[in-house]
Amino acid sequence: DTGVSQDPRHKITKRGQNVTFRCDPISEHNRLYWYRQTLGQGPEFLTYFQNEAQLEKSRLLSDRFSAERPKGSFSTLEIQRTEQGDSAMYLCASSFAINYGYTFGSGTRLTVV
Amino acid sequence: TQLLEQSPQFLSIQEGENLTVYCNSSSVFSSLQWYRQEPGEGPVLLVTVVTGGEVKKLKRLTFQFGDARKDSSLHITAAQPGDTGLYLCLGTSGSRLTFGEGTQLTVNP
Repeated sequence: DTGVSQDPRHKITKRGQNVTFRCDPISEHNRLYWYRQTLGQGPEFLTYFQNEAQLEKSRLLSDRFSAERPKGSFSTLEIQRTEQGDSAMYLCASSFAINYGYTFGSGTRLTVV
Repeated sequence: TQLLEQSPQFLSIQEGENLTVYCNSSSVFSSLQWYRQEPGEGPVLLVTVVTGGEVKKLKRLTFQFGDARKDSSLHITAAQPGDTGLYLCLGTSGSRLTFGEGTQLTVNP
């Protein structure tokens, strides 16, 4: 297991289209997080899973955003009817437990044109 | 809402100089972590501090967690161009994670 994998690395989409990103965490990590980051800023929390349960969602996550982790392993983040303001780096992180440190993926860079 | 104020936001120094980055909050965190991020990549964990007053050293990097677990500092000695990057602090309280805004460090040769 080489770490947290995210796919795709880059996505360019037209405004109004739907996009889906995938995150494969480290296999023994039961906690999975999604963050959004704009250039030069710290990541902003979007949502958090413990196993397959989505335990917390940020107010940043509008109705157009949905995340799933159906079997407690990989997770998907879908954005419907994309807007230019959705352009950002979407980061996934996983952790074995609180305070153990978080391993981040390389992110998916979304550009909405 | 828990906030982590990170300072300075930008820092540009010459190779060989020392620097300190600060993270401050009015909230108590159960742990605090420091990450370094390069352009186009995800943050990479540098250290986790858990105990108030804890000091950890990682080669030329020294991390300190405040006694009250509300603040932390990262000190780099004799900075090198390879230290250039975005440094982020992350506070943990329960399941909630709070990132600082980041410090963009540039070390010029």
